[in-house]
Amino acid sequence: KAGVTQTPRYLIKTRGQQVTLSCSPISGHRSVSWYQQTPGQGLQFLFEYFSETQRNKGNFPGRFSGRQFSNSRSEMNVSTLELGDSALYLCASSLFETAGGTQYFGPGTRLLVL
Amino acid sequence: QKEVEQNSGPLSVPEGAIASLNCTYSDRVSQSFFWYRQYSGKSPELIMSIYSNGDKEDGRFTAQLNKASQYVSLLIRDSQPSDSATYLCAVTGRWGKLQFGAGTQVVVTP
Repeated sequence: KAGVTQTPRYLIKTRGQQVTLSCSPISGHRSVSWYQQTPGQGLQFLFEYFSETQRNKGNFPGRFSGRQFSNSRSEMNVSTLELGDSALYLCASSLFETAGGTQYFGPGTRLLVL
Repeated sequence: QKEVEQNSGPLSVPEGAIASLNCTYSDRVSQSFFWYRQYSGKSPELIMSIYSNGDKEDGRFTAQLNKASQYVSLLIRDSQPSDSATYLCAVTGRWGKLQFGAGTQVVVTP
């Protein structure tokens, strides 16, 4: 079974721009969660989608948004990029909602904001 | 207080020895507990999951859970250089969010 895939793998943007990251979960998995990982803050939860509905949201500003499609693929968008948004963005999929399922991570998208 | 706390390390362990990693969590109603391993520049990969009090063994890894003390640990027996990585403790809290600790860096020395 193919694992979680994320595109693009690397991205360089400038402040004020917006960015869209994509995640394809493991086949059959209906839950997709997004995380931001930085050296200073560690892994921080952004949001979780299950069956196209946002189930949980972390403590991030409204510039961070996401959605999930009927095929379970998910996208996250960051508008008006700031330098502090430079991070590794990880997507994880699970069969069930996070509370009941084990999550499997994709390789991540490394975003650099200049 | 952070919801999931781990010693940051580095934890230096001689090859062949046992590495002991600890994690405490603040939400008493947490139900699911996980250990992930993350190599430098890579994404986290699941090592163990544990849901009930006691020990759970998988190969060289043993996870221990004590809900009364809000404590979960990971033992790595016969440590190998390939075990050198950052180990992340993750806990599912009352709202279903998966909260991660900052991770413990383990360095296995030959």
